[in-house]
Amino acid sequence: ETGVTQSPTHLIKTRGQQVTLRCSSQSGHNTVSWYQQALGQGPQFIFQYYREEENGRGNFPPRFSGLQFPNYSSELNVNALELDDSALYLCASRIGGSYNSPLHFGNGTRLTVT
Amino acid sequence: AQTVTQSQPEMSVQEAETVTLSCTYDTSESDYYLFWYKQPPSRQMILVIRQEAYKQQNATENRFSVNFQKAAKSFSLKISDSQLGDAAMYFCALTGTASKLTFGTGTRLQVTL
Repeated sequence: ETGVTQSPTHLIKTRGQQVTLRCSSQSGHNTVSWYQQALGQGPQFIFQYYREEENGRGNFPPRFSGLQFPNYSSELNVNALELDDSALYLCASRIGGSYNSPLHFGNGTRLTVT
Repeated sequence: AQTVTQSQPEMSVQEAETVTLSCTYDTSESDYYLFWYKQPPSRQMILVIRQEAYKQQNATENRFSVNFQKAAKSFSLKISDSQLGDAAMYFCALTGTASKLTFGTGTRLQVTL
């Protein structure tokens, strides 16, 4: 049990729609990262937030956006959904902003875009 | 840019035997960390073991150990006394000062009786 909870577990959306995925981290975990894991692939880094500010972003278009809240929860928003957005989305959090602090992952949200 | 390569899509091991999963990586940073994560069907990424690049001593965690060859940029995972519960996808990952994790494509480990 890592203390990182994601909701919902599964979600089906239609192309062009918008989706919000949620993550709740342990108290004190002030860094949160989001990853996209396509079927049969390793996770790909989307972005990271530290103390409610984005401080790193991978090769994802601006329609992928996020928010981090003071209560250690966070959101991943995806606009104008495309079929290729179908994937497992993983949230991970850590204490502090340093890369030598281990990441704790949630169970992910499986998004299917039809 | 950082890259992580896992060349074994699938491996099989008999219960109680030993198996080694391979990983090579590339990074321009001198200070970085390497990890092995396990992803069972429950989908959660579970940290198995981590290695700090500046430490020459190979990390060990119970039945799990690594062979870290810094000059060769190689980071293999050895699982001793394999158990049925070890069956999962295993991902090698790398992080540097940018804090993001770069993952390989994974190795599916099957454990047979």
